[in-house]
Amino acid sequence: DIQMTQSPSSLSASVGDRITITCRASQRISNYLAWYQQKPGKVPKLLIYAASTLQSGVPSRFSGSGSGTDFTLTISSLQPEDVATYYCQKYGGAPYTFGQGTKLEI
Amino acid sequence: QITLKESGPMLVRPTQTLTLTCTFSGFSLSTSGMGVGWIRQPPGKALEWLAVIYWDDDKHYNSSLKSRLTITKDTSKNQVVLTMTNMNPVDTATYYCVHRVTLGTYFASWGQGTLVTVSS
Repeated sequence: DIQMTQSPSSLSASVGDRITITCRASQRISNYLAWYQQKPGKVPKLLIYAASTLQSGVPSRFSGSGSGTDFTLTISSLQPEDVATYYCQKYGGAPYTFGQGTKLEI
Repeated sequence: QITLKESGPMLVRPTQTLTLTCTFSGFSLSTSGMGVGWIRQPPGKALEWLAVIYWDDDKHYNSSLKSRLTITKDTSKNQVVLTMTNMNPVDTATYYCVHRVTLGTYFASWGQGTLVTVSS
């Protein structure tokens, strides 16, 4: 099975900072990668699919990039409401594995 | 608007079988490309994908849990059922029902989740 590894596991930043979270696949997965945001006590929310396509309604400060094995989620200007844990997920073939999550604090 | 809602027991005894039902609306599981899956999250831990069933009755399971999981659908009732056998305290988690979009098996719609505790 393909493993998904996120880094860092946790991150503390300031409002207005540009932050980047990395997700690495143990094998090439083309662009079959999604990113989710889970705010404390809430249901996960889809942010990005196909590595870089923003889900409808997601603020444009969020962006994704990458292909193959290395992917990034970037928040261009961190806002207080972005405090959450972020997960990557591979698709394109089962199993549909999640990364271990990156906890973002301000 | 797509909605999904999980139902099932809040408490399960060790070694028992868990049966969870997902009742959904806003789409039909008989429509080509549609799928419904299950994801769980132990308290304070990461998301773990469990299983998915597609409109054509194709099914996929988490490799580590495959022997314990069964996913079925009842298209007429707009329901998907997940059973997990031989429950253990480490299976204590919030279990989410999710909708798979036609472009790929990622999940744009989630149920509210149901917390299942495994304890004697």
